[in-house]
Amino acid sequence: NAGVMQNPRHLVRRRGQEARLRCSPMKGHSHVYWYRQLPEEGLKFMVYLQKENIIDESGMPKERFSAEFPKEGPSILRIQQVVRGDSAAYFCASSRSPFDGYTFGSGTRLTVV
Amino acid sequence: QKEVEQNSGPLSVPEGAIASLNCTYSDRGSQSFFWYRQYSGKSPELIMFIYSNGDKEDGRFTAQLNKASQYVSLLIRDSQPSDSATYLCAVNEGQTGANNLFFGTGTRLTVIP
Repeated sequence: NAGVMQNPRHLVRRRGQEARLRCSPMKGHSHVYWYRQLPEEGLKFMVYLQKENIIDESGMPKERFSAEFPKEGPSILRIQQVVRGDSAAYFCASSRSPFDGYTFGSGTRLTVV
Repeated sequence: QKEVEQNSGPLSVPEGAIASLNCTYSDRGSQSFFWYRQYSGKSPELIMFIYSNGDKEDGRFTAQLNKASQYVSLLIRDSQPSDSATYLCAVNEGQTGANNLFFGTGTRLTVIP
């Protein structure tokens, strides 16, 4: 019974490149959430998706960031033209319903050099 | 984003003592409240949830909720060194119906052997 799977665990990108982060939710979970965590800070909500739909993207920066959760395959968080300030841990979580607690993946640590 | 406030700590308690962690929130429409534990460099893990006013006990953990005061707390009895971690309070977004969770910045707990 695999949990929430995120890959890669660590990602290094040069400024201006694209970062693509993947998240496969737990089996039976159709709700996916992305959070960003800077060192010594809390989790900042970015986006909430359900299969093929974006439910809430109020925490997502308006430019360079996008997310999808296609009918088949993992959820993808895409950051175009990365800058040093994008360096952070990006956590994906999933739940069976929006009223349940979330199960988090191990995170992707993005470093922009 | 909705405000979820926690004392950042660090909070130090001796082994065997009761650790008390507090959280206040701004969204009166919030209905679901969660406590997560996060070890350094790891992902958050759900330890307690509470939906109704009053106390909810699970082993050494007790969650307390007071919606009128917009206050939720976590008590850890018989604290152990393995409880040393950052504890994150999370509250659902109650106004738009999206119900995604907003997190506080966490309280760092150290249990001294």
